[in-house]
Amino acid sequence: DQQVKQNSPSLSVQEGRISILNCDYTNSMFDYFLWYKKYPAEGPTFLISISSIKDKNEDGRFTVFLNKSAKHLSLHIVPSQPGDSAVYFCAASGISGSRLTFGEGTQLTVNP
Amino acid sequence: DAGVIQSPRHEVTEMGQEVTLRCKPISGHNSLFWYRQTMMRGLELLIYFNNNVPIDDSGMPEDRFSAKMPNASFSTLKIQPSEPRDSAVYFCASSLQGLSSYEQYFGPGTRLTVT
Repeated sequence: DQQVKQNSPSLSVQEGRISILNCDYTNSMFDYFLWYKKYPAEGPTFLISISSIKDKNEDGRFTVFLNKSAKHLSLHIVPSQPGDSAVYFCAASGISGSRLTFGEGTQLTVNP
Repeated sequence: DAGVIQSPRHEVTEMGQEVTLRCKPISGHNSLFWYRQTMMRGLELLIYFNNNVPIDDSGMPEDRFSAKMPNASFSTLKIQPSEPRDSAVYFCASSLQGLSSYEQYFGPGTRLTVT
């Protein structure tokens, strides 16, 4: 039972354009959501997060949107840069705050 | 400022051998997590500790896997005996629970190959 799903295994965009990565979840008990970025041969690194009491959170070029009614979140990267090329994982946590459930990841490639 | 440290970075072993993976969490963090990443199952939580106590080990695949955290600065994940299907990248992560955010900080991983 995959509670967090990233349906696009890969995404390719041009440098300077917007990258939109999507994530869906099924567990209504999730109340905190995170995005991680992973380069090859490295561990995932935290990128941005959002609490369920918000519908948007921005940090520089990165914005996460949360639609609770649709159980959907997205990560927008504007403008995209070649250094953003990596695998992006979304993750969700319940009220316990400890356990993260990860999606399968989306490989983003930003072409110069 | 040292992050999460894992050793070894790569391990190649033969089926049936014992494998021990090691992790040093970020100083001051009170929670530690062991994950396994495979192509088939993605990133899955194996076990996590809070204040050195195992809280949830429901992700541990079978009795061949065991994890310990003897103190706040060290944890091990042991596989005995190892099997080829255990080949994966194993990540350790730590966090400071009790704050409003649930961010976990990952180590670089150990790539395990069992032949």
